[in-house]
Amino acid sequence: AQKITQTQPGMFVQEKEAVTLDCTYDTSDPSYGLFWYKQPSSGEMIFLIYQGSYDQQNATEGRYSLNFQKARKSANLVISASQLGDSAMYFCAMREGRVFGNEKLTFGTGTRLTIIP
Amino acid sequence: DSGVTQTPKHLITATGQRVTLRCSPRSGDLSVYWYQQSLDQGLQFLIQYYNGEERAKGNILERFSAQQFPDLHSELNLSSLELGDSALYFCASSVEDRAMDIQYFGAGTRLSVL
Repeated sequence: AQKITQTQPGMFVQEKEAVTLDCTYDTSDPSYGLFWYKQPSSGEMIFLIYQGSYDQQNATEGRYSLNFQKARKSANLVISASQLGDSAMYFCAMREGRVFGNEKLTFGTGTRLTIIP
Repeated sequence: DSGVTQTPKHLITATGQRVTLRCSPRSGDLSVYWYQQSLDQGLQFLIQYYNGEERAKGNILERFSAQQFPDLHSELNLSSLELGDSALYFCASSVEDRAMDIQYFGAGTRLSVL
């Protein structure tokens, strides 16, 4: 079974609009971390935002916020007031915490976001 | 700039050859991770080192090996290269190895096997 599912292969959004990128995850570990990364066309992977499984509040970092719904196992990324520079591939990732030797990040397949001027 | 340095940025080589990819983690980070990104497999975890010792292994081929040195830099060695090894190889580092630790990625090494 897929541990991280991103169901939107591509999205087109008008500049200055808000956009939500979907991510659902699957784990039985009570301790885990959820991450979003941005990969522009230049190729580097840029960390955006983190949410811990025990965090009571949704994480926010500038224009990025994470809509964390634990019961639904979803961790959607919200980008407010989108900019042309937001055009990139976005990856959701999870790291499970309790099993020794399971420290890797498991990535979804990504969503390609294109901002239209 | 993430603070993680990977060299070289690009590598072009032939089948059957051996290459070494180098990674310098962020200052103070003890954990180093290697990931492979290819069109067909997506982003896959290869191997992790923590403070010089191997901590976890993922989908790493036997032709591939890695190590982390006392100064905490790491090298990924790829041998008997095949066309299918062409990919973007990332190194990431984190302070420790806990679930909440953020992994910061280098810019990657793009390997082309011809």
